[in-house]
Amino acid sequence: GDSVTQMEGPVTLSEEAFLTINCTYTATGYPSLFWYVQYPGEGLQLLLKATKADDKGSNKGFEATYRKETTSFHLEKGSVQVSDSAVYFCALSGSGGSYIPTFGRGTSLIVHP
Amino acid sequence: DADVTQTPRNRITKTGKRIMLECSQTKGHDRMYWYRQDPGLGLRLIYYSFDVKDINKGEISDGYSVSRQAQAKFSLSLESAIPNQTALYFCATSAEGSYNEQFFGPGTRLTVL
Repeated sequence: GDSVTQMEGPVTLSEEAFLTINCTYTATGYPSLFWYVQYPGEGLQLLLKATKADDKGSNKGFEATYRKETTSFHLEKGSVQVSDSAVYFCALSGSGGSYIPTFGRGTSLIVHP
Repeated sequence: DADVTQTPRNRITKTGKRIMLECSQTKGHDRMYWYRQDPGLGLRLIYYSFDVKDINKGEISDGYSVSRQAQAKFSLSLESAIPNQTALYFCATSAEGSYNEQFFGPGTRLTVL
């Protein structure tokens, strides 16, 4: 079945540091890929998405590129802020005709001033 | 106003009690989902519904039931709550043809004593 693997957290960074959160996936066919963010006390919200190979999703300074050859969708940001502290979830959907999403376990990011 | 609302936001109950969690949406989406979130386990799908007459079990449906009362309403019931059902529960919606991008409610924190 489909699966999404994310690096374990927490990831702890100082403000203005570079962020990478790794995400790899196993799926049938060509799924759409997503990053969701969950701020403390809130539900998840879409951060960015990519629907085909080599697409780059971007939002709020975050970027991720759909790499079919390495089955990866790593999240990056050049300079993190304290307000980026949250839990980040990688997810896929649309694999093999299924429209049920598969989520990774989430990676907690803590940014210190 | 929030597009996806959940009630209650917090609930403490005792083992053996019947509990209903409610979800309403104003996004006009046909697809609705119930997930539970546990620390370190990410999101797991309990049930999903692609229209009013469609109900499907997810990954962890045992001990839960659902009712799709209308396009906009999807309720989750715990027939006889047990302590390991203590978790954060999320309702989500998606639109057909949207790559299944999920829109989440704010969550219900349920504690079973």
